[in-house]
Amino acid sequence: TQLLEQSPQFLSIQEGENLTVYCNSSSVFSSLQWYRQEPGEGPVLLVTVVTGGEVKKLKRLTFQFGDARKDSSLHITAAQPGDTGLYLCAGVGGGATNKLIFGTGTLLAVQP
Amino acid sequence: DVKVTQSSRYLVKRTGEKVFLECVQDMDHENMFWYRQDPGLGLRLIYFSYDVKMKEKGDIPEGYSVSREKKERFSLILESASTNQTSMYLCASSLVGRTIQYFGAGTRLSVL
Repeated sequence: TQLLEQSPQFLSIQEGENLTVYCNSSSVFSSLQWYRQEPGEGPVLLVTVVTGGEVKKLKRLTFQFGDARKDSSLHITAAQPGDTGLYLCAGVGGGATNKLIFGTGTLLAVQP
Repeated sequence: DVKVTQSSRYLVKRTGEKVFLECVQDMDHENMFWYRQDPGLGLRLIYFSYDVKMKEKGDIPEGYSVSREKKERFSLILESASTNQTSMYLCASSLVGRTIQYFGAGTRLSVL
């Protein structure tokens, strides 16, 4: 069974601070996605990384896929209260149905 | 915009009751998924369907069944609800061959 471990599980920071969330596995994935889930809503896709070593930026969010395609990180610069939410990584396991293997989640609270 | 609608935001049921969770998507997606979300465990796949009347077990199918009689609707059934099925349930859909999943807002089920 493929597993994706995220760290930290919880993070409470002040507005303006930087943070990094990690997503690690012993399995190789064809691609990896990051979702954000706000309270009372379902997860929404932020980004997909496909190539080993790939770096993608989305405003203040920087996503990196590990060279071996087993891990990924999300770095937020100058966090804002609007960044508050649950961040989930999801590995694409392959196969005809392209099922996702979700990480354990990181709950981020950014205090004003 | 893709819309995935879950019929109930909150449900309270008694142990032993038969429970139906309904999900409808309006984008003609072939794939539909049911997940269970628990703190620290991320999203775990219960069942998925890649076509009408087709279904496959996910990682935690025990105690659940599903029904997909129409392409747009995917139902999750708890034949005899138990307290350990108290959780947040998320429905998602995707196009065949695509990895991006679109989620509903979730149903928070409490089994007393």
